[in-house]
Amino acid sequence: DAGITQSPRHKVTETGTPVTLRCHQTENHRYMYWYRQDPGHGLRLIHYSYGVKDTDKGEVSDGYSVSRSKTEDFLLTLESATSSQTSVYFCAISERGTSGSLSYEQYFGPGTRLTVT
Amino acid sequence: GIQVEQSPPDLILQEGANSTLRCNFSDSVNNLQWFHQNPWGQLINLFYIPSGTKQNGRLSATTVATERYSLLYISSSQTTDSGVYFCAVALEGDYKLSFGAGTTVTVRA
Repeated sequence: DAGITQSPRHKVTETGTPVTLRCHQTENHRYMYWYRQDPGHGLRLIHYSYGVKDTDKGEVSDGYSVSRSKTEDFLLTLESATSSQTSVYFCAISERGTSGSLSYEQYFGPGTRLTVT
Repeated sequence: GIQVEQSPPDLILQEGANSTLRCNFSDSVNNLQWFHQNPWGQLINLFYIPSGTKQNGRLSATTVATERYSLLYISSSQTTDSGVYFCAVALEGDYKLSFGAGTTVTVRA
């Protein structure tokens, strides 16, 4: 298994409160991602990082911010949680393949179930 | 963005049966992965297969990149094969994955 942990694994919070989810990796991979998974939508990319302090938006980034101050940690923050952000959040990592390969095979963490009441 | 379509959306199998899942995509890709999400929600890497054929035990996959589709074969299915199977692709020159909606597989004893 890829060395990816997410914390917390479960969280219940109230509308309007800030929430930070943490992704930690031990693989020293360059690329890190945050996805959300909702019924009927599969997995959708929220934000991603291509290096320390280098981040960019995915397809569903509104209401979320991220930070990456060191290689191993990628934080996802909901500044003011809303009920529409109730979801399961997955972190993923990848690294460019060796020997000239362009592969960026992704590996996923265990997920965080967030409920906003 | 790239479109990823998986079929069928749902599949019910009797234990021991074989099945084929399909993934169609709308553009040239340099990454195609198959994942299995088990009933506990864990996403497990099955194959990294942007082209060609691979086998891992009872599972195998084939991607025909020029025709923009990939197939996942499950042989002699077991109840532990139940879950959702996702196909995900990345465009050439990119590393971000786009996911299909998944195929939900239920294997009955």
